[in-house]
Amino acid sequence: DAKTTQPTSMDCAEGRAANLPCNHSTISGNEYVYWYRQIHSQGPQYIIHGLKNNETNEMASLIITEDRKSSTLILPHATLRDTAVYYCIVRVATGGGTSYGKLTFGQGTILTVHP
Amino acid sequence: GAGVSQSPSNKVTEKGKDVELRCDPISGHTALYWYRQSLGQGLEFLIYFQGNSAPDKSGLPSDRFSAERTGGSVSTLTIQRTQQEDSAVYLCASGVTSYEQYFGPGTRLTVT
Repeated sequence: DAKTTQPTSMDCAEGRAANLPCNHSTISGNEYVYWYRQIHSQGPQYIIHGLKNNETNEMASLIITEDRKSSTLILPHATLRDTAVYYCIVRVATGGGTSYGKLTFGQGTILTVHP
Repeated sequence: GAGVSQSPSNKVTEKGKDVELRCDPISGHTALYWYRQSLGQGLEFLIYFQGNSAPDKSGLPSDRFSAERTGGSVSTLTIQRTQQEDSAVYLCASGVTSYEQYFGPGTRLTVT
């Protein structure tokens, strides 16, 4: 699986958009970008994933550059409850997305949302 | 609906003792994973089960660690002759698709 690079920490004001970058310059054509987050003392939580198109769900938006070497997770209106460690993970999915393999977590970005 | 549950939530054991950690996945999830997270560290993959296939044990750190999944549902992670470096939060996750893994709250293991 491709390696990812994320900033160690970021701050955001409550109510503003939080934009979390991730570099994955060695990504392969069949690798997806996943985002998970881990709130203190809880297990990780799936946020969103994408291959090459931008994606949006009820939690966040994922913007992937055209060359797929980087992506940005956007929390449109950050709240205090969004304070967490955010993990960007790149992993291959095979057979139309039916691989069940492991996730390799890096150090992630500590996002702190301030009042 | 019910999420992934793990028991016990906390376990304190003496060095050299064996421990068993339990994971109840979400009903119908065919994939089950174990990870661990040491203090201040990221998550480390241990093992995963997918249906009736042979488990991927590539992340188990030593032969003191083993896991089984009975009837395609409940899983038990066993650590024999525990060492202080085994102290960590042990997380279980289950899933159906390749995209989402649903994590439990974890078991905090402390080896004294």
